Parts: sequence; structure tokens; C-alpha cells
Amino acid sequence: GNSVTQMEGPVTLSEEAFLTINCTYTATGYPSLFWYVQYPGEGLQLLLKATKADDKGSNKGFEATYRKETTSFHLEKGSVQVSDSAVYFCALSAPSALSSNTGKLIFGQGTTLQVKP
Amino acid sequence: DSGVTQTPKHLITATGQRVTLRCSPRSGDLSVYWYQQSLDQGLQFLIQYYNGEERAKGNILERFSAQQFPDLHSELNLSSLELGDSALYFCASSVALGQGYEQYFGPGTRLTVT
Repeated sequence: GNSVTQMEGPVTLSEEAFLTINCTYTATGYPSLFWYVQYPGEGLQLLLKATKADDKGSNKGFEATYRKETTSFHLEKGSVQVSDSAVYFCALSAPSALSSNTGKLIFGQGTTLQVKP
Repeated sequence: DSGVTQTPKHLITATGQRVTLRCSPRSGDLSVYWYQQSLDQGLQFLIQYYNGEERAKGNILERFSAQQFPDLHSELNLSSLELGDSALYFCASSVALGQGYEQYFGPGTRLTVT
């Protein structure tokens, strides 16, 4: 079935360091891929998305490229800030063997990022 | 602010009880999704409605049910509650069905079963 695997956290970085959070997926067909961010005590916010191979999603300095050949969608940021401390979720939307694609999201387990000043 | 509202924010109840969680989607969004976030299971899709009709089901227990009303708000009903049902329940909405459409999440309802 469809699934998402993220690198285990927590990830601890100093301010202005380079960030990579790995995400790989297994899916039927051509999924859409998303990164969501959850700040402490809040709901999920869409960070970026990509809907086809080689698309690059970007927002607030974060980027991720849809790589079909490696089934990956790694999240990167060139210079992290303390305010980026949060939990990051990779997710996909794709049809399954049992149903057409209604848009439901399948999430990875989440990666906690802590940025120290 | 995503535009999705959920009530209540917190709910504490005892085992065996029944509760109702409410969600109002963003204005104009026809699709509503319910997700459960727990420490052991992570974020899991429960059920989806589109314009009043159930369209997809995930790992939703038989003790749980949901509906979407003509004004498009949705309710998730949890009955015969067990300790393991303690979790954060999120509602999300999107404008239409299908992959690629962005889902906007509410702030969640934290359910504690004692």
C-alpha cells in the first residue's frame, strides 16, 4: 500500500545551519506530495507541495523537489532560524488498490526540528 | 488562521462515554477530512465527506461515526470510549476531491479519556 517514511528525529541544529529532512514514499500511480509543519500547540499548516515529477515546491525559504526516480521529496532550507523549530510531516495523496483518489493524506511519522540560537 | 474551526478545543471524559466533535470547513470548501494524531499511531486518516456524502474511509473504528450536514459542517461521533482513544483529532477541508488540492487543518480537539 501507499506509505511515507521520514528520517527519525529529533534534529537539532544551530541557527543559520543548513537543513535537510529526508522523505521517501511508496505509492501507486503518480502521487501528489506535501510538507506540513506543526508548531507547538497548533494544527498543521501546509508548507509546500508538488504534484508531478521534477516539480519543486517552495515557501518561506524551504524547498523540496519531487524525485520520481528515487521516490523522494526531501525538505531543505539553507539557513534555519529559531522560529523554524517545529514538527515537520511529509505526506502523500494517491489512489490506492481499493479506492480512487479522493485526496486523503498519508503522513510520515514526523520529524522534530529544534533550532538553537 | 486556516479558516477551519473545531470545537471544543479540549474534552475530558470517562471510559464508556460518547462525545461529539464539531468541524466547520473553510468558506467554499466542500470536502471535509478527519484525522487522528496519537503518540503511538502518528497521524492517521479516519474518514472523508464531500458535499454531504461519505467518500473515503480509513482506519476508523466501528465505534466512531461521522456525518456532514447540508451547511457543510461535520461532526465526528466517538462512542464507548476507551483509554486508547485519547488523541488529538483534526479536521481538514479542501475545495474539491482529488489529489493535489490543498487541505487546510483546524486547530484540533484534544480528547482525554480517563
